[in-house]
Amino acid sequence: EAQVTQNPRYLITVTGKKLTVTCSQNMNHEYMSWYRQDPGLGLRQIYYSMNVEVTDKGDVPEGYKVSRKEKRNFPLILESPSPNQTSLYFCASSLGPAQGTSRPYEQYFGPGTRLTVT
Amino acid sequence: RKEVEQDPGPFNVPEGATVAFNCTYSNSASQSFFWYRQDCRKEPKLLMSVYSSGNEDGRFTAQLNRASQYISLLIRDSKLSDSATYLCVGGNTGGFKTIFGAGTRLFVKA
Repeated sequence: EAQVTQNPRYLITVTGKKLTVTCSQNMNHEYMSWYRQDPGLGLRQIYYSMNVEVTDKGDVPEGYKVSRKEKRNFPLILESPSPNQTSLYFCASSLGPAQGTSRPYEQYFGPGTRLTVT
Repeated sequence: RKEVEQDPGPFNVPEGATVAFNCTYSNSASQSFFWYRQDCRKEPKLLMSVYSSGNEDGRFTAQLNRASQYISLLIRDSKLSDSATYLCVGGNTGGFKTIFGAGTRLFVKA
């Protein structure tokens, strides 16, 4: 089954304790992305990756790190979590742009990770 | 001004009604547009891509107006199961930076 998986699905942690949220896709997609979703603000892009070893900042990258060492995996790292990073996090993947264009395809989302930082 | 704006609603409509949502975008260079559906606390799922010529899928019709910089979603013959939040995506200027609207909440009542 084609899917995007995230782990853990729920996490409660304390301020300053490093954590990693994993994301994996089995569709051989080039593009992967992380979003956070907060009430009234919608989905905001944190980081995205166009392919292995190629990443770039989205709209809200502060406090987060990512890496893309393998095509299928795109972990999100919070080196020193703070309470304002309490949120619902989604990972997404899609194919690269259609040949001859720069228009991206639709994205497939993971089930989400609900993170609480106290 | 937000790059992509939606009326948050909620829209409360009876079954069988026709309802329309608009989504405005500020970047005239935006290249691709989508509508996603999100059920409560679940992941967003693609509803429709939005093409310049407009497109229809069953009870759903999406349109793009580049001159006025908005996309629209029309739902005909609303079902209870259409109750969800509808997210528009715009603002892609090529590459993969993606801008979502904050979503429009729809409640369809019997």
